[in-house]
Amino acid sequence: EPEVTQTPSHQVTQMGQEVILRCVPISNHLYFYWYRQILGQKVEFLVSFYNNEISEKSEIFDDQFSVERPDGSNFTLKIRSTKLEDSAMYFCASPDTLRTQYFGPGTRLLVL
Amino acid sequence: AQTVTQSQPEMSVQEAETVTLSCTYDTSESDYYLFWYKQPPSRQMILVIRQEAYKQQNATENRFSVNFQKAAKSFSLKISDSQLGDAAMYFCAYRSAGAQKLVFGQGTRLTINP
Repeated sequence: EPEVTQTPSHQVTQMGQEVILRCVPISNHLYFYWYRQILGQKVEFLVSFYNNEISEKSEIFDDQFSVERPDGSNFTLKIRSTKLEDSAMYFCASPDTLRTQYFGPGTRLLVL
Repeated sequence: AQTVTQSQPEMSVQEAETVTLSCTYDTSESDYYLFWYKQPPSRQMILVIRQEAYKQQNATENRFSVNFQKAAKSFSLKISDSQLGDAAMYFCAYRSAGAQKLVFGQGTRLTINP
């Protein structure tokens, strides 16, 4: 199975602080996706990113969220001013050549 | 909008037996993909199996197989010879051929009894 990596594995932050979650997708792939999963709930799509542009986003992905590709391999999800309800697992996913999405191990974000 | 429904919040099975997890979906499209993902306690999402809607043949991966009924919009997962390591949350997911996002069901928690 193709490998997607994410850092950090856990992050604790204070409400109102900015957090940056990082992802390294399957090598040489231009697509990647962010999902989140609030504890005990289903996985929800946030945004898809292709060739340095957002290609699709959900209603959850409001102005406090942003995605970037700061260098050739890393992708980031930034939450500008965290809220208590942002506490969740955040998954990055990357597709293979058949567009099947493989997920990273996730970042567990806790907002206090 | 497409929706995915998993009507069984929890299931349990004896080790070595067979269990079937149910999934139904709602879509007006004809070209799409369906997936089952496994989420163990570590909470990582692991792909179990995928099915292309245009294929009539049901997908199989070792002990895992699906029963894809396109007309009924049903996509169940059968796990044969259940093992303790199969214990996890199982999520059914849908993706339209023309879209990027996966739409997930609520999940089914599978317990394996030794």
